[in-house]
Amino acid sequence: KAGVTQTPRYLIKTRGQQVTLSCSPISGHRSVSWYQQTPGQGLQFLFEYFSETQRNKGNFPGRFSGRQFSNSRSEMNVSTLELGDSALYLCASALSTGGSNEQFFGPGTRLTVL
Amino acid sequence: GENVEQHPSTLSVQEGDSAVIKCTYSDSASNYFPWYKQELGKRPQLIIDIRSNVGEKKDQRIAVTLNKTAKHFSLHITETQPEDSAVYFCAASKGYGQNFVFGPGTRLSVLP
Repeated sequence: KAGVTQTPRYLIKTRGQQVTLSCSPISGHRSVSWYQQTPGQGLQFLFEYFSETQRNKGNFPGRFSGRQFSNSRSEMNVSTLELGDSALYLCASALSTGGSNEQFFGPGTRLTVL
Repeated sequence: GENVEQHPSTLSVQEGDSAVIKCTYSDSASNYFPWYKQELGKRPQLIIDIRSNVGEKKDQRIAVTLNKTAKHFSLHITETQPEDSAVYFCAASKGYGQNFVFGPGTRLSVLP
C-alpha cells in the first residue's frame, strides 16, 4: 500500500496570508490527525478527523481549521498567518477500527512564514 | 488533560552500549503507548508500542516496559548502532478514537 502523502512539501508565505495543506491517508484508513512540529515544542496535536467529522481537537486558536472528505483525504487551513506558525506540519493516518490505533505519519509540509 | 514528560532530552552512548529513555504520563486512563523514531529530515516512524495489559514487549534490540502503578514507561535499545542515532518520541493515548499526546523527544547520538 502507498504510504501517507502530503502536499505541498514546502511553502513560503507572508504574515497575514492563509494557507491550505493536504494529506492523503493510507488506503482504507479513516482517521487523519494533524500535528505541528517545532524545535522547541515537539509534536503538538492540532485535530483529528474520522469519517468526515472532527473527533478530537487540540489547544490551537481558531485560525487553524481542517476538514475531511468522503475519500478520507484531509485538508488543514491556517488563516491570518503569523511568524510563529512557521513549522513542520505532519499528518498521520490510522485505521482506527477493531481496536487498532497505530498512526502512520506523512513526510510533512514545511511552512515558512516571512 | 494528559501530560507526557520524557527524559533525558539528549543522550550520547558509545556504539554497542545500551540506551534507556523514560517517559511519565499523568492520566491513568491512558492505555496505549507507542514510541516513534525520527531521523533527520524524515517522518516519525513507529518502532514499538505497548498496551496497558502488557508489562513488557521486545522486538530484537528494542524493548519497552510499562509500570502502570507509577505511570511510566521506558524504551530500551541494546547493542546500539550508529543508525540508531535519531530523535525518539514517546506518546500516550487513552485508546481507540483518542488522540495521542507526545513527549518532547530525546535526541540519541550513538558514537562510533
